[in-house]
Amino acid sequence: GAVVSQHPSWVICKSGTSVKIECRSLDFQATTMFWYRQFPKQSLMLMATSNEGSKATYEQGVEKDKFLINHASLTLSTLTVTSAHPEDSSFYICSARPGQPNTEAFFGQGTRLTVV
Amino acid sequence: GEDVEQSLFLSVREGDSSVINCTYTDSSSTYLYWYKQEPGAGLQLLTYIFSNMDMKQDQRLTVLLNKKDKHLSLRIADTQTGDSAIYFCAESIWAGNMLTFGGGTRLMVKP
Repeated sequence: GAVVSQHPSWVICKSGTSVKIECRSLDFQATTMFWYRQFPKQSLMLMATSNEGSKATYEQGVEKDKFLINHASLTLSTLTVTSAHPEDSSFYICSARPGQPNTEAFFGQGTRLTVV
Repeated sequence: GEDVEQSLFLSVREGDSSVINCTYTDSSSTYLYWYKQEPGAGLQLLTYIFSNMDMKQDQRLTVLLNKKDKHLSLRIADTQTGDSAIYFCAESIWAGNMLTFGGGTRLMVKP
């Protein structure tokens, strides 16, 4: 089956620093990847949709300058949380969709970010 | 915008059946999903149903869809302690599109 890998699984960083999270599709090419955020005891909320080779589309209320998304290849998308603050502490999870139309998107295992 | 709602909590005894309910508002929802999330883990797709189906069964899981009422349910037969987790329903307009998630139902299975 299709495998999506996120790295790191968890990260602790100091306030003001930047953190990069990687989302890789291991056995398929993903033209579209989605980034979600889940605050404690809450549901997942879509942050942005990234398409390979083009700018990401951000959901309302998500700061594109703070959450930098790069989808430079068909197997890798990165989310960089810039100048992280404690309120950015959350569970970030990506999903990736193969290039074929109308196909399921597969989720990574998620990254737990803690900003201290 | 789209809205997906679930009850927050469900407690059952081991061996009983569990029924987790979900309602959605977007009539153009074509795909409806059930995901399982164990503590500290990512999402595991359990099953999904197309909007032109009323029911789908997969081993211990039965999904019922009432499209008229926009109501989706997940029945877990012979619930085990390993089924304890948070269950999310989600909808999308087409497969592979962004998902809109419900708030999640925490299922607790008592021995």
